[in-house]
Amino acid sequence: AQRVTQPEKLLSVFKGAPVELKCNYSYSGSPELFWYVQYSRQRLQLLLRHISRESIKGFTADLNKGETSFHLKKPFAQEEDSAMYYCALLDRGSTLGRLYFGRGTQLTVWP
Amino acid sequence: DAGVIQSPRHEVTEMGQEVTLRCKPISGHDYLFWYRQTMMRGLELLIYFNNNVPIDDSGMPEDRFSAKMPNASFSTLKIQPSEPRDSAVYFCASRVSGNTIYFGEGSWLTVV
Repeated sequence: AQRVTQPEKLLSVFKGAPVELKCNYSYSGSPELFWYVQYSRQRLQLLLRHISRESIKGFTADLNKGETSFHLKKPFAQEEDSAMYYCALLDRGSTLGRLYFGRGTQLTVWP
Repeated sequence: DAGVIQSPRHEVTEMGQEVTLRCKPISGHDYLFWYRQTMMRGLELLIYFNNNVPIDDSGMPEDRFSAKMPNASFSTLKIQPSEPRDSAVYFCASRVSGNTIYFGEGSWLTVV
C-alpha cells in the first residue's frame, strides 16, 4: 500500500517566490515523518523531522493529522534550494522501523 | 565518523557480468538498508538488515539480486548476471533503532 504520496514530480518557481512541496500519507498509528533532500549527484540528507518542529534552511513542515499531510514550505525560495525532495514515513509497527519514501519532487528555482 | 561508505562510486559494466556493490555502515548502527534510485521509479527499498539479519527482502527485484551482511561493519549487494535495466544509483543507508537514517553517497551503476 502506498503510504507516502508526493503528487508533484516536478516543481518550478522563481527565486524569491514561496514554495510548497506536497506530501500526503496513510498510516493507522501515530506517524513519524521526515523530509530528505538530495542535491545534484549527492547523497540524501535529512532536512527535517516533524517531531523536532524546527526550521532548517528556511524550510518548515507541519504535520496535519486531519488532512494526513506534511507539506514542506519556504516563504522565499533560493537558487540553491534546487534539489530533489523526498517525504518519508517511519513505520514503527510490525516491519521493524522501515522508512517509506515518496516518489520525490524535483524542485527547480529559477533566477 | 566518516559516515556510510560505499564502493565503487561509479561502475560501468557489460551485460551479463557480475556486479558487487559494497557498504560500510556507521559504527554502532544496527540497521542497514539498500535502496535503488531511478528516474522512473524513484527510491525503492530493496532489502534491509537488523543486527546483520535480513528482515525484509521483498523489494529485491528478482533472483539475480542478492545481499549479504556477514558482520556489523560490511554488506554487499550482488547482481548476477547484470542487465541494462539494472542501471541505477544504489544507495546504502544505516541507522540506530529509532533514530535518523543516514545515506551513503551511492554507487552509480551503468550496464551496457
